[in-house]
Amino acid sequence: DVKVTQSSRYLVKRTGEKVFLECVQDMDHENMFWYRQDPGLGLRLIYFSYDVKMKEKGDIPEGYSVSREKKERFSLILESASTNQTSMYLCASSGTSGRREQYFGPGTRLTVT
Amino acid sequence: GDSVTQMEGPVTLSEEAFLTINCTYTATGYPSLFWYVQYPGEGLQLLLKATKADDKGSNKGFEATYRKETTSFHLEKGSVQVSDSAVYFCALSELNNDMRFGAGTRLTVKP
Repeated sequence: DVKVTQSSRYLVKRTGEKVFLECVQDMDHENMFWYRQDPGLGLRLIYFSYDVKMKEKGDIPEGYSVSREKKERFSLILESASTNQTSMYLCASSGTSGRREQYFGPGTRLTVT
Repeated sequence: GDSVTQMEGPVTLSEEAFLTINCTYTATGYPSLFWYVQYPGEGLQLLLKATKADDKGSNKGFEATYRKETTSFHLEKGSVQVSDSAVYFCALSELNNDMRFGAGTRLTVKP
């Protein structure tokens, strides 16, 4: 079974702090994704990556950056956390065949105070 | 661009009731369609999928049929249980790897 793990389930940070969210997958998937989930808005794509050291902006990249130095690891970085970044963050991965399903981690609930 | 619209919740049913959650989509090509489920405090899990028109996806008593003529992929279950209480997301994916999700429908099943 595909396993996607995220470094923290719950995180509390202060405004202005730099925040790192880590995601690791164990199925040698090429593609990895970061979403945020907010009530009534569903999932919105922040960034994704199709290969090591490669990244593409999603729908809401402002205020975020990402890093993919190894195939299995995809990090989301909040350069200077703000209260409007309080949310649930979900990482996902998928393989290379067309129209493929994504496999999700358990999520990190981030609160910025 | 591609998009997914699903019925607004919340939906509250009694145990053993019939469930339908409507989902319609807009796509330029021939997408694959998915239903994901999110139990409280967890990430999303793939529930079922269909990759072409008239395909029926099924899992754990849930079913959905890919209807190209009505651009729909409605989720159904004949008899819900308390353990089915969760948030359900409809999604589509085209060849460019991008996946689009609906807003989610919260289902509560009461004993």
